[in-house]
Amino acid sequence: DAKTTQPPSMDCAEGRAANLPCNHSTISGNEYVYWYRQIHSQGPQYIIHGLKNNETNEMASLIITEDRKSSTLILPHATLRDTAVYYCIVRVPTGNQFYFGTGTSLTVIP
Amino acid sequence: NAGVTQTPKFQVLKTGQSMTLQCAQDMNHNSMYWYRQDPGMGLRLIYYSASEGTTDKGEVPNGYNVSRLNKREFSLRLESAAPSQTSVYFCASSEWGRGSDEQYFGPGTRLTVT
Repeated sequence: DAKTTQPPSMDCAEGRAANLPCNHSTISGNEYVYWYRQIHSQGPQYIIHGLKNNETNEMASLIITEDRKSSTLILPHATLRDTAVYYCIVRVPTGNQFYFGTGTSLTVIP
Repeated sequence: NAGVTQTPKFQVLKTGQSMTLQCAQDMNHNSMYWYRQDPGMGLRLIYYSASEGTTDKGEVPNGYNVSRLNKREFSLRLESAAPSQTSVYFCASSEWGRGSDEQYFGPGTRLTVT
């Protein structure tokens, strides 16, 4: 069963921040939230992950709500190369399985 | 480092034929995975190997077998291909239990079964 809910598609103007939401209302206390993206039909690429606190790296920021039922991936200055499908994934704690949903198709518009 | 490599890149099979998809990683990761991705869909886990010598079923294991040949290599076998197995197959690896558990993906094998 899918454990995350994401909008199917979003647009963002080039140079603006892209904010991609994810709902994971049934997340368990020890489950992490991961974000991956897939450009065209390439293999998915890791972006960022977090448990409770907000996280930032060179690619993006991850904001997790205090109740952990939702999160937002932020691409601070979207470029055309950020056009991709973005997957929000909750990691199953009993194994190392990653369950991908259908993700959000982000289109960055010039 | 080549990362995760997969062979072949493309393959066309007739129904009932068999084939093995090869995957290798040079990052010394302990865990490896096979996923399939159907058009317009997300990835679904077929099998994974948490460590050398172990394999476990994922979401959609029926019709497939796997072999963790050594730490580097993890193969996926279709014994009797069916049109429903037409898909793009991705292999991935990760260092489970240390740090981020980030999975690194290969470029994919595009399989068509007629």
